[in-house]
Amino acid sequence: DTGVSQNPRHKITKRGQNVTFRCDPISEHNRLYWYRQTLGQGPEFLTYFQNEAQLEKSRLLSDRFSAERPKGSFSTLEIQRTEQGDSAMYLCASSLLGTLQETQYFGPGTRLLVL
Amino acid sequence: DAKTTQPPSMDCAEGRAANLPCNHSTISGNEYVYWYRQIHSQGPQYIIHGLKNNETNEMASLIITEDRKSSTLILPHATLRDTAVYYCIVRPYNTNAGKSTFGDGTTLTVKP
Repeated sequence: DTGVSQNPRHKITKRGQNVTFRCDPISEHNRLYWYRQTLGQGPEFLTYFQNEAQLEKSRLLSDRFSAERPKGSFSTLEIQRTEQGDSAMYLCASSLLGTLQETQYFGPGTRLLVL
Repeated sequence: DAKTTQPPSMDCAEGRAANLPCNHSTISGNEYVYWYRQIHSQGPQYIIHGLKNNETNEMASLIITEDRKSSTLILPHATLRDTAVYYCIVRPYNTNAGKSTFGDGTTLTVKP
């Protein structure tokens, strides 16, 4: 257990529905990252926050995706009008800016299946 | 594109050392080498990182060549539980470290 938690761990939804995932980082960590991983591939970067500010978004983050970190603590990732291609593992990671190496620690992931 | 190259798969006998190579020929002077592993259906687990000196912790050793263009992760006594996908990543150590760029990693299978 790294101290990063994600909920739910699994989600099955029908195409066209909206889904929301939550990530709780390690408590003192000020950076929070979202990644997506499809079967057989390494994780792909989606976006990251420093405190409550969203500093970078990948081109993978289409307009159906939105991420927030309103109080600089937990974060949510919402997918609107889900498509079958959204089926993947969604991973959250956190790190502490200000330490030289800023190691990222990952949560267990949320596995999404869109039917 | 990933900045590292790893063999897609490797086998290792239980109890023997597992040596996982990684090429990062375009590494910059301000980039660390990180290793993570991912056991099936779990999130990536941090193993070790280094800049230019060899590093060792309770999980593994990291050997970085003098020119820093390649590295080797060593699991000294592999067990069946070490079967996983191992990722080698390079990331800068300044305040703009940001995202990690993962490749497809090496699938290590430890056999009895």
